[in-house]
Amino acid sequence: GESVGLHLPTLSVQEGDNSIINCAYSNSASDYFIWYKQESGKGPQFIIDIRSNMDKRQGQRVTVLLNKTVKHLSLQIAATQPGDSAVYFCAENRRRTGFQKLVFGTGTRLLVSP
Amino acid sequence: DTEVTQTPKHLVMGMTNKKSLKCEQHMGHRAMYWYKQKAKKPPELMFVYSYEKLSINESVPSRFSPECPNSSLLNLHLHALQPEDSALYLCASSQRGSYTFGSGTRLTVV
Repeated sequence: GESVGLHLPTLSVQEGDNSIINCAYSNSASDYFIWYKQESGKGPQFIIDIRSNMDKRQGQRVTVLLNKTVKHLSLQIAATQPGDSAVYFCAENRRRTGFQKLVFGTGTRLLVSP
Repeated sequence: DTEVTQTPKHLVMGMTNKKSLKCEQHMGHRAMYWYKQKAKKPPELMFVYSYEKLSINESVPSRFSPECPNSSLLNLHLHALQPEDSALYLCASSQRGSYTFGSGTRLTVV
């Protein structure tokens, strides 16, 4: 299953499917991007990150792809499990002299049915 | 210790009350943040402290007053809040681009 993030805030998949969550970012100067998972009543939990000098990074069952030309990020989750059900946010790290800040995208809710 | 601890977890306050949210980390991170998150929305940055000095105030109303007593503690003082201020308040810390979030304080203003 695949979402376009901003336009389809909910992605429903079957257990075992691969999921793709998309995100568009706005600031071409952002140098670092992070995907977070947030479960109900909890704070954002780090999943995977990627620096702007990379196109792809893989973790355990997750892959992040970065396309700087069109300012687009995607998170791929392989063999999605019910425990993956949560809201997923992309975030871009914006640096200024002396500090940095994290700006979150809109988010996509992932629903995994058994 | 690799956590950011926030207290209390839940808070109900009246519009005339004064209360404080607390955040603590012992990872040696020198940047700390307050975010506000409304239901079904992404976290929105409120304040950034860098080396215990306020670096960013994202045009937050003065009824929210942050304080960083030392490098491990961050407070958010609340006074004369409105019902629309009800939200999840998240604290985070960072070092070299690595961010850690707390579980948040669920605030309800009545």
